[in-house]
Amino acid sequence: EVQLEESGGGLVQPGRSLSLCCTASGFSFGDYGMSWFRQAPGKGPEWVAFVRSKHYGGAAEYAASVKGRFTVSRDDSKSITCLEMNSLKSEDTAVYHCVRDGRGYNFEYLDSWGRGTLVTVSS
Amino acid sequence: DIQMTQSPSAMSASVGDRVTVTCRASQGINNHLVWFQQKPGKVPQRLIYAASSLQTGVPSRFSGSGSGTEFTLTISRLQPEDFATYYCLQHNSYPLTFGGGTKVEVK
Repeated sequence: EVQLEESGGGLVQPGRSLSLCCTASGFSFGDYGMSWFRQAPGKGPEWVAFVRSKHYGGAAEYAASVKGRFTVSRDDSKSITCLEMNSLKSEDTAVYHCVRDGRGYNFEYLDSWGRGTLVTVSS
Repeated sequence: DIQMTQSPSAMSASVGDRVTVTCRASQGINNHLVWFQQKPGKVPQRLIYAASSLQTGVPSRFSGSGSGTEFTLTISRLQPEDFATYYCLQHNSYPLTFGGGTKVEVK
């Protein structure tokens, strides 16, 4: 069974940093890309970032709203992906989900979501 | 960025109704479209991928069609557990973008 568990959320002041991580199990983590999505209260989901598998170079993509502030990484030896968030703004307040993203590898993409971790940016 | 225009934004329907939700892409996205169902307090669940492929375990009353710029999600006979919000997502190019959602409510 695929399992994704996020950690690291919390209350943070505007301008500060926070790091989220997602621990994966139940699948061959290194073969898959991983995406981060977020959902602000009462809003629809929003894609945030994607990190390719090492097979595809491991490069990352970002939404314009977070580019230059957020960095996604992965550690295949630990089956973990992390999202480092800097210069946080109030509009970054949301539940953040990691999502298995096997696009380009197989049909198992965007099919498994973690429960998410809440990030609240407020003074 | 590719804009996804989803309609309607909300609808009222009864059990047994046929429900159709449409997503229009601002430019061609081949079949790189996913449909999600989301219930309150839950994470989005993938229903359809590659525009028309049914996710394993999803009832066959759900179907997807379309390619290029016009896509449709159809629920052939609405069931009580289908009252939820539905989103389309294009993954043809970055940034990945969602439609605005369709809330299917009880009539």
